[in-house]
Amino acid sequence: DTGVSQDPRHKITKRGQNVTFRCDPISEHNRLYWYRQTLGQGPEFLTYFQNEAQLEKSRLLSDRFSAERPKGSFSTLEIQRTEQGDSAMYLCASSTNAQGPLHFGNGTRLTVT
Amino acid sequence: GQQLNQSPQSMFIQEGEDVSMNCTSSSIFNTWLWYKQDPGEGPVLLIALYKAGELTSNGRLTAQFGITRKDSFLNISASIPSDVGIYFCAPLDSGGYQKVTFGTGTKLQVIP
Repeated sequence: DTGVSQDPRHKITKRGQNVTFRCDPISEHNRLYWYRQTLGQGPEFLTYFQNEAQLEKSRLLSDRFSAERPKGSFSTLEIQRTEQGDSAMYLCASSTNAQGPLHFGNGTRLTVT
Repeated sequence: GQQLNQSPQSMFIQEGEDVSMNCTSSSIFNTWLWYKQDPGEGPVLLIALYKAGELTSNGRLTAQFGITRKDSFLNISASIPSDVGIYFCAPLDSGGYQKVTFGTGTKLQVIP
């Protein structure tokens, strides 16, 4: 299966710790997106990349959040000094271009205790 | 900002029944997407609508793009247990897929 892969699937961390998630998009997709989903809500856009360039960041992405896609392939999302409000499902998606539909991974569920 | 209302929030139906859900917005969109999310998984695209008034089917699913470009509905005919999940409408404007805004979802439960 060559779908979008996310690692880890689950992460439990204590408040104040840093966490990093990884996303491997579908290989021929040059766009990569990060979304956050809380219980009972739809996914909310965080940021996206066109190849290695980060083109847009939502105001939801506070200074504690940073995303990279150094070689235009996989991406990482780091959250520093985690807070309980960061607990959510973090979804990665990829697409071929701006007009291509998003293909989502199965997400990383973060629980901050 | 734009308001996106998806209804109903949840539904319990008997297997074999038809289902209808809709999404309305205060803004005009150029594309309407419908996604389904199974528990513990990411959303999967079901249907994409690109033109006002367009009616598109995908198996037992039928979706329509409203002529005002502010709404869309999704119908599921003859529901089966694997239809269980959360259905999201996700319209987008000309800004491309980074501008996808997801509705709050319709949670569907199918009673065998």
